[in-house]
Amino acid sequence: QVTLKESGPGILQPSQTLSLTCTFSGFSLSTYGMGVGWIRQPSGKGLEWLANIWWDDDKYYNPSLKNRLTISKDTSNNQAFLKITNVDTADTATYYCARIDNYDWYFDFWGPGTMVTVSS
Amino acid sequence: DIAITQSPSSVAVSVGETVTLSCKSSQSLLYSENNKDYLGWYQQKPGQTPKPLIYWATNRHTGVPDRFTGSGSGTDFTLIISSVQAEDLADYYCEQYFVYPLTFGSGTKLEIK
Repeated sequence: QVTLKESGPGILQPSQTLSLTCTFSGFSLSTYGMGVGWIRQPSGKGLEWLANIWWDDDKYYNPSLKNRLTISKDTSNNQAFLKITNVDTADTATYYCARIDNYDWYFDFWGPGTMVTVSS
Repeated sequence: DIAITQSPSSVAVSVGETVTLSCKSSQSLLYSENNKDYLGWYQQKPGQTPKPLIYWATNRHTGVPDRFTGSGSGTDFTLIISSVQAEDLADYYCEQYFVYPLTFGSGTKLEIK
């Protein structure tokens, strides 16, 4: 069965780099058509897509975050990563990773999310 | 970017009633080569992770009860919840995956009277 779980620092200070890890099972990012996306949600607000990475290492980013995002993967360990540089309080949110495939294209399995607070 | 507008922002219904949620896109989500609308719906219950409900605008995700029905094409889409249950209390989001950046609507909060 497919499962995903996010991990992160919990709290960090403005201007630092946020590093998030998504550890998953039940599928492989070396399999044709598989992908992982990152989505975030500030408390009480809506969902914002951040980035996708695909089995062939294709990467897509939300341009609203300019060049602050870097997505990557480690297929051997079934992990995907997201880094956000120069964080500020507006980056305080719950961060989700989710599986996607290039057949149905929607986020069909989600992790429980990890809460990140940016505070001085 | 494709803008997604959901309405109403909140709605309250009684158990057993039917409710219709709207999702409108700033441009067509219909890809003519496969005749599919690149639109999904998600349900997020209080304190929980979003869960997929509908993909390709009309297909139910595995295990979703048939009281949830997605319809529409092009730029106008609806999620109809028939015979609403107390457990349907949630926020509902639609998402376009036609082009990057992927975008979500701002959500509709379903409350139970």
